[in-house]
Amino acid sequence: GAGVSQSPSNKVTEKGKDVELRCDPISGHTALYWYRQSLGQGLEFLIYFQGNSAPDKSGLPSDRFSAERTGGSVSTLTIQRTQQEDSAVYLCASSSGGAPPGELFFGEGSRLTVL
Amino acid sequence: KQEVTQIPAALSVPEGENLVLNCSFTDSAIYNLQWFRQDPGKGLTSLLLIQSSQREQTSGRLNASLDKSSGRSTLYIAASQPGDSATYLCAVRRVSDYKLSFGAGTTVTVRA
Repeated sequence: GAGVSQSPSNKVTEKGKDVELRCDPISGHTALYWYRQSLGQGLEFLIYFQGNSAPDKSGLPSDRFSAERTGGSVSTLTIQRTQQEDSAVYLCASSSGGAPPGELFFGEGSRLTVL
Repeated sequence: KQEVTQIPAALSVPEGENLVLNCSFTDSAIYNLQWFRQDPGKGLTSLLLIQSSQREQTSGRLNASLDKSSGRSTLYIAASQPGDSATYLCAVRRVSDYKLSFGAGTTVTVRA
């Protein structure tokens, strides 16, 4: 696609429910990132994919968070048993791989509100 | 760990004035540095990417410089306009790492 696409753009859920957030990166981009931005806070790195592999998952806040990427393209971030502190904007970004790494492009984000 | 600092945190200027935004980072072993713009409720828009071998990049009214040895980058915006009002973030990617480390941003208000 022309840019990074994320869905849903907004999600309101009840505490304890599971949510899935989707990211469709720019075509041909092998690197994919998930970041989280809480209200008034900076960007918090969550996870990075190179192809379908996630070399580092240490940024995920807890074991309720998981992510996968299939076919080297679409990625899904899943949050199980959501808590109010999970409320934030979840941003996905992609770039070309290689060295040096390419420019990073972000989607518009998925705003999650946990009631 | 890469620490990225942006000063000032907020800036308000009259239309037409030039803007100077500063970014500093602690680990100079970087691949590149990228400047972004974020409008309220929106994602990040890439403005400029400077590779570690470069000293500056220009795009229209925007110019970004990089002094890797001193761990500093500066974003200049010439002849500011109200439409330039946004939060500007810098991010660096270390050679030893694959993820961008972000500063907290500078929120700019350009008064008409």
